[in-house]
This record gives sequence, structure tokens and C-alpha cells, in this order.
Amino acid sequence: GAGVSQSPSNKVTEKGKDVELRCDPISGHTALYWYRQSLGQGLEFLIYFQGNSAPDKSGLPSDRFSAERTGGSVSTLTIQRTQQEDSAVYLCASSSRYNEQFFGPGTRLTVL
Amino acid sequence: AQSVTQLDSQVPVFEEAPVELRCNYSSSVSVYLFWYVQYPNQGLQLLLKYLSGSTLVKGINGFEAEFNKSQTSFHLRKPSVHISDTAEYFCAVRAGQAGTALIFGKGTTLSVSS
Repeated sequence: GAGVSQSPSNKVTEKGKDVELRCDPISGHTALYWYRQSLGQGLEFLIYFQGNSAPDKSGLPSDRFSAERTGGSVSTLTIQRTQQEDSAVYLCASSSRYNEQFFGPGTRLTVL
Repeated sequence: AQSVTQLDSQVPVFEEAPVELRCNYSSSVSVYLFWYVQYPNQGLQLLLKYLSGSTLVKGINGFEAEFNKSQTSFHLRKPSVHISDTAEYFCAVRAGQAGTALIFGKGTTLSVSS
């Protein structure tokens, strides 16, 4: 596709439910990143995938958060047992080696 | 560890006035610097980047930034702003190997009025 796409664009869920957020990177980009944007916290790095290497999970805030990347392309970010503080915009970005990151439009998650 | 400080959370200006959005970073290794813009309800768009070479970099929409290693700064400037420049601007740093995650500043909201 022409850019990074994310789905859904908006997700409203109840506290305690699990959610899955999807990211389709730009074709051919080997690196994929997840960030979280929330009021008061700005943009926070969550996790990074590069090719077939083990992901850098150093930004994940708790063990309720996990992500996978299948076939080196599509990625899914899963949040288990959602809490109200998980409400944020979740941004995905991809890049080719040595180049800038291109961001998707984000998924706005609201936990009631 | 790397960090980015955007010194102004909000910058109000009048149309056609010049603007400077300030960004300072800290890092113990060589850095790559970026400015992104986020329009309301949209994703992040790259304005410009510094990887190496000339310290004055020009980006889209008439913006430019200057990398100053001694002052560890990467301020964003535009000589004459438009209403359409109203948005949030993020400075970011990537340290070390290409492909590592970006560290973002808290953002500066630029509000342009007529």
C-alpha cells in the first residue's frame, strides 16, 4: 500500500476486556514500531521489530501488553485485561533500513 | 540514555510572523534528529531530518532546522507562518544504530491566528 495502515481507527472497550490492534506496514519495510500517545505522557515507545531479530520489548509498560509480527509484515498489538489508563492513541510506524519512520494514522483506544 | 526537551509547550503567533520552536537533546553518542508534525486527528508526518552533513536542513512546508552540536539543539524555524501551520510539532532523536526507536519530546502546539 501507499502508507502505513492501522485498524481499527477507533476502539471502545470495557475495562477487563482484551483488545487487538493491527498494523500493516509499508511493503518492503523491515522495521516496525509501536508507540503510544497519551495526554500528559506524550509519545512513548512500546516495541520494535527488525527483520527476523528478536523484538525490542523494552518499552512495554506491563506484561498485559504483547505484540507479534507475522511473516515480517503485519503486526498485532494485544492488550489483555484492559485498564482505563490504557486509553490512548496507539501509533504504528515502519521504516526501511537506515531511513526515517513513517507513521500510520493510529488507533484511538478508549477503555470505559 | 537519550532525552529530548521541547522548551515551549505552546507557541501562539500571528499569521505571517516568524516562528522558532525550540528543541534540546541529550545523548552520549551520535544522534539523528527529526521534526514531525501532527495535524488535528491525523498521524505524524515527517517535516525534516538531520542525519549527517550540512547542519542546516530544509524540510517541507517552508520549515528548516539547524543542528548545533555544541548547544545540543535542533530548533525548528519558519520565516512566515500560515493559519494552516497550526498543529502539534514533535522533536525526536534516534541514537546509535539505524532502526532504533525514536525518543520524542513532549510536543509544542503551534497556534497561528489572523
